[in-house]
Amino acid sequence: DVVLTQSPLSLPVTLGQPASISCRSSQSLGSSDGNTYLNWFQQRPGQSPRRLFYKVSKRDSGVPDRFSGSGSGTDFTLKISRVEAEDVGIYYCMQGRHWPPWTFGQGTTVEIK
Amino acid sequence: EVQLVESGGGLVQPGGSLRLSCAASGFTFSTYWMHWVRLVPGKGLMWVSHINSEGSSTSYADSVKGRFTISRDNAKNTLYLQMSSLRAEDTAVYYCVRDEPGDGMDVWGQGTTVTVSS
Repeated sequence: DVVLTQSPLSLPVTLGQPASISCRSSQSLGSSDGNTYLNWFQQRPGQSPRRLFYKVSKRDSGVPDRFSGSGSGTDFTLKISRVEAEDVGIYYCMQGRHWPPWTFGQGTTVEIK
Repeated sequence: EVQLVESGGGLVQPGGSLRLSCAASGFTFSTYWMHWVRLVPGKGLMWVSHINSEGSSTSYADSVKGRFTISRDNAKNTLYLQMSSLRAEDTAVYYCVRDEPGDGMDVWGQGTTVTVSS
């Protein structure tokens, strides 16, 4: 099974400052079709998870452009250029390349300092 | 509006059974793969099971294989998860998740809570 390792697991951030979350995969998530199947989800307190990015960097509708996804192969990053209060929550990466099983990272908790 | 609404969660004793349902609306249910994913607070998200659009192919996490059965009724736009031989470690919020062709999991339901305890 593919193991996704996120770091850090806890990320205290000052409002208006940038934040970055790393997701490393135990296997390459690139496919022969040219796509890389790595998604990012946000789970705000009391809400269901919401997808932010699919195929590494394709932004879902309604996701603010202060969020960006990047990476390739086994190393991926989610960045927030300027953290806002509504960004508090748990962020998960997830791979859809080698399935079953589909696997998630452990989650990174973003909180305001 | 695309919507997934889970139901059927509750408190059940170890060894017991429960059937979860997920009512889909706002999209052509019969053309999408579907998943069940669970969240254990403090432990994160774990994929549980998937079913293809016709219901002819399924897969399960090792921890639930042989105890859980996923199914769907495309005429009723409904996804199911039959859970049996439940264990304390199955306690979680269970989410129904749509799988967008080529792009993976996208829309999540609001979740239903399953508690396995005596």
